[in-house]
Amino acid sequence: GENVEQHPSTLSVQEGDSAVIKCTYSDSASNYFPWYKQELGKGPQLIIDIRSNVGEKKDQRIAVTLNKTAKHFSLHITETQPEDSAVYFCAATANTGGFKTIFGAGTRLFVKA
Amino acid sequence: ETGVTQTPRHLVMGMTNKKSLKCEQHLGHNAMYWYKQSAKKPLELMFVYSLEERVENNSVPSRFSPECPNSSHLFLHLHTLQPEDSALYLCASSQDSGRGETQYFGPGTRLLVL
Repeated sequence: GENVEQHPSTLSVQEGDSAVIKCTYSDSASNYFPWYKQELGKGPQLIIDIRSNVGEKKDQRIAVTLNKTAKHFSLHITETQPEDSAVYFCAATANTGGFKTIFGAGTRLFVKA
Repeated sequence: ETGVTQTPRHLVMGMTNKKSLKCEQHLGHNAMYWYKQSAKKPLELMFVYSLEERVENNSVPSRFSPECPNSSHLFLHLHTLQPEDSALYLCASSQDSGRGETQYFGPGTRLLVL
């Protein structure tokens, strides 16, 4: 079946450094790629998303890149802060007339002060 | 606050109990979802409702029974669960289903089955 692979599963960085999380999807019909952040005791919250007609999108310290040919998309966090510590999920949605969003397994990010 | 609330936040139940999880969205969305989140596993979609009709049922055991009385409320009725059903159950909503809409998640119900 279709799947989304996410790496790494755990990432530890020093405050101020950059963090990169990568995802690969299998369904070539996928055209919407959201990223969610889940803090302890909360549900996932959307932090940024990208659609297939765009190669890169940036929002302050967060950026997402998409390579449709390679079926890769990545989350980049610059100047990390302790409050960035959380679990991050990527997802891929295919617009095939029915519901089809597949989530990655998540990356636990630790930002050390 | 995301506009999606879930109750209870925590639940402990025995395998012979019957309980219900409740989700309410205040966003005017047409689609609602139940997910199961287990440790170190991707979010597992359980059910999708669009305009109060179930449009997706991902081979979920019959001991989980969803109910969507209107577009703002979603329930998950639980009956004779197993210990492996212990997990965080997340509710989400989106404007519509299946068209790349952003999903808004509630805080989840942490369920422990003894």
